[in-house]
Amino acid sequence: RKEVEQDPGPFNVPEGATVAFNCTYSNSASQSFFWYRQDCRKEPKLLMSVYSSGNEDGRFTAQLNRASQYISLLIRDSKLSDSATYLCVVNANQAGTALIFGKGTTLSVSS
Amino acid sequence: NAGVTQTPKFRVLKTGQSMTLLCAQDMNHEYMYWYRQDPGMGLRLIHYSVGEGTTAKGEVPDGYNVSRLKKQNFLLGLESAAPSQTSVYFCASSYSIRQEKREQFFGPGTRLTVL
Repeated sequence: RKEVEQDPGPFNVPEGATVAFNCTYSNSASQSFFWYRQDCRKEPKLLMSVYSSGNEDGRFTAQLNRASQYISLLIRDSKLSDSATYLCVVNANQAGTALIFGKGTTLSVSS
Repeated sequence: NAGVTQTPKFRVLKTGQSMTLLCAQDMNHEYMYWYRQDPGMGLRLIHYSVGEGTTAKGEVPDGYNVSRLKKQNFLLGLESAAPSQTSVYFCASSYSIRQEKREQFFGPGTRLTVL
């Protein structure tokens, strides 16, 4: 089983739509979780950390289910500028030096 | 504050040639990392460093060497380049292992082609 698996995508949605991405991880000892965003031919940038109680940042909501080893990202009221690849990232060790990246899910928002 | 910078941005090598990729950060971060990103694959960790003078192997270290002689710089070396090392290389840095400061900041990447 791959360590971090994401929806393959691509997701093509109209502006204003709500879209959800899912991610599962295999290492039950994983310590922390993140969503990164990567624009075409650019570097990844942190979108948000994912906390056990779930957290929200504007139109973005992240959820974590440790029992099911499952992470989600919900984007409400999609904007054209949300078009990017979203990377699910899991930190597998206490030292924070073993980030495992999913392959990413591509989102395309159209007008 | 430039963040994380990488040199060069693009490079074409012939099989067997050597080169060094330079990463520099001006955020006084302790941790630095080198990743490669290939089509259809997630980013994979090559080597990392938890402080000046220290280095450690990541997931895919073979064919690469690294050095961290100064806190702000992390060098990635290819001694004898192979076509399988054609990739986009990203450097990243982070402040500490503490949860709230664990965000990794990435450089713009180096696109390397080995013919």
